Amino acid sequence: DVKVTQSSRYLVKRTGEKVFLECVQDMDHENMFWYRQDPGLGLRLIYFSYDVKMKEKGDIPEGYSVSREKKERFSLILESASTNQTSMYLCASSLMGRDTEAFFGQGTRLTVV
Amino acid sequence: KQEVTQIPAALSVPEGENLVLNCSFTDSAIYNLQWFRQDPGKGLTSLLLIQSSQREQTSGRLNASLDKSSGRSTLYIAASQPGDSATYLCAVLNTGGFKTIFGAGTRLFVKA
Repeated sequence: DVKVTQSSRYLVKRTGEKVFLECVQDMDHENMFWYRQDPGLGLRLIYFSYDVKMKEKGDIPEGYSVSREKKERFSLILESASTNQTSMYLCASSLMGRDTEAFFGQGTRLTVV
Repeated sequence: KQEVTQIPAALSVPEGENLVLNCSFTDSAIYNLQWFRQDPGKGLTSLLLIQSSQREQTSGRLNASLDKSSGRSTLYIAASQPGDSATYLCAVLNTGGFKTIFGAGTRLFVKA
């Protein structure tokens, strides 16, 4: 059974703090993704990675960076948290290839005050 | 640019009813289409994956169909139960890239 685990369910951070969101998958998936989900806007892709140390910008990368030093771990970094980054953050992973299924973590609800 | 639309945005049905959720997409150049379930405050759970060469997939009381040429997919839920209450999202994986495009979801309420 594929398991994607996000390090925190709920986080509260102050404006200007550097925030790390961690995601780990245990099925040797090549692809990993970070999304944010906001009411009325749906899921939007922030960054994705298709291999260790490789990253590609998604639709809304501004204010975020990522790190993938190991295949199983993909980190999302908010360099200086702002209130407009309050959101639900979802991590996903999938195998390389076009006919593969995406699996999601349980989500991290981040509140920036 | 691929756009995914789900209709209706919300749906309320009595327990036991069969129902259909709709998903449409504007660009038929897709690798696959996936249906997810999301409970409030939780992550997404994969329900069904339909590859571009397939017409439908079934899992228990769920049946998903895909008509790529018309840009449509439906999720059929038989004999609905209160435990089916959740938001259902469809997503397409475009050819030529890694991007998965999501619909906004349909919020389903099944009343006991």
